[in-house]
Amino acid sequence: QVQLQESGPGLVKPSGTLSLTCTVSGGSVSSSDWWNWVRQTPGKGLEWIGEIYHSGSTIYNPSLRSRVTISVDKSKSQFSLNLISLTAADTAVYYCARGPVGGARFGLDVWGQGTTVTVS
Amino acid sequence: QSALTQPASVSGSPGQSITISCTGTSSDIGTYNLVSWYQQHPGKAPKLMIFEGSKRPSGVSSRFSGSKSGSTASLTISGLQAEDEADYFCSSYAVSSTVIFGGGTKLTVL
Repeated sequence: QVQLQESGPGLVKPSGTLSLTCTVSGGSVSSSDWWNWVRQTPGKGLEWIGEIYHSGSTIYNPSLRSRVTISVDKSKSQFSLNLISLTAADTAVYYCARGPVGGARFGLDVWGQGTTVTVS
Repeated sequence: QSALTQPASVSGSPGQSITISCTGTSSDIGTYNLVSWYQQHPGKAPKLMIFEGSKRPSGVSSRFSGSKSGSTASLTISGLQAEDEADYFCSSYAVSSTVIFGGGTKLTVL
């Protein structure tokens, strides 16, 4: 059974860069699935950030595209999120999630536990 | 792309049925039959309950069902149980290959 685990700093400075990693266990990051990042804030609810396929193909939320990079490391069975030019509005719980064949449009069926990131 | 519109809260008594609406536009729900519904208990990650509008993942109770009419999708929970009390979010595929979420609905089981 696939499990996901986020890791990264809980506190980052304004104007800085957020780097989070999601480790995939019980399955392969090279499968036919897409690997996603979603964040949740009290004010705006859930927000889809983007997704990546093991080939390196990515799709980003247009509202975040200029600041986001998602990458995959098949050797470590991990995928990562980089978000630049941080502001307080980026304070959120960040989740990694799996989008089975076809991606997030078909539903995110496995989620990590989430990691809280504060920009301050 | 604007968020989908959900009621802030709904409530029902055990055994009753409730329906949560999710209103979009012709750029998302109205064009694509790719609506998902998620259940989220406090402090937990969301759980997929419905995908592609009306399909249930393995292990999800048949008390949960999804439908769509025009640009509005709906989640119906029949035979309400105390454990159904949670937040529910809808999402939809939208133009520009993006996925958008609703603001969430808090379900209270009276």
